[in-house]
Amino acid sequence: GEEVAQTPKHLVRGEGQKAKLYCAPIKGHSYVFWYQQVLKNEFKFLISFQNENVFDETGMPKERFSAKCLPNSPCSLEIQATKLEDSAVYFCASSPTRLLPQETQYFGPGTRLLVL
Amino acid sequence: GDSVTQMEGPVTLSEEAFLTINCTYTATGYPSLFWYVQYPGEGLQLLLKATKADDKGSNKGFEATYRKETTSFHLEKGSVQVSDSAVYFCAANSGGSNYKLTFGKGTLLTVNP
Repeated sequence: GEEVAQTPKHLVRGEGQKAKLYCAPIKGHSYVFWYQQVLKNEFKFLISFQNENVFDETGMPKERFSAKCLPNSPCSLEIQATKLEDSAVYFCASSPTRLLPQETQYFGPGTRLLVL
Repeated sequence: GDSVTQMEGPVTLSEEAFLTINCTYTATGYPSLFWYVQYPGEGLQLLLKATKADDKGSNKGFEATYRKETTSFHLEKGSVQVSDSAVYFCAANSGGSNYKLTFGKGTLLTVNP
């Protein structure tokens, strides 16, 4: 598609429950980025993919967060045993085939996760 | 790593007023610079970008010039409209090991009729 699609739009989980978020990048884009937007509008980089391969995961809290991008499937971000501080808007962005600083990252509408 | 500082606002203006939102960055080397806009309830949209010193990005009446000497990328618009009400984010990308965007904290703009 011509836009980054994210589902669901909203997700509510009780503390300790699992949450799974999905992202379909723009068709033809090779790079996918996940960002977490917390209170006060702060963005935190989580992980990036080059096609189905993890490109960089330095921002991921690995003990509870995992992510995949499999061929012919939406990318996913999964949080095992959610905590209150995971409440945030999770954005997915995709970028075309050249990985350069000047390339635009195109953002999806985000998934708002609320952990109660 | 990169860091971006922008005026946090909120900024409230009347329609047709002049807008400036300040943004400065620190980075190793020369990053590409971006302004994204987030309308209420929506995701981030690229507003404009500049990839090297003295470049001017422009779109929808907004402009920003990449100033290497002052490490700045201030956003300006000569005459704002009510429909410009949104949160504006300045961002930098130096590449490095992960090509991530580093964002400022956003500036809420409200334009009143």
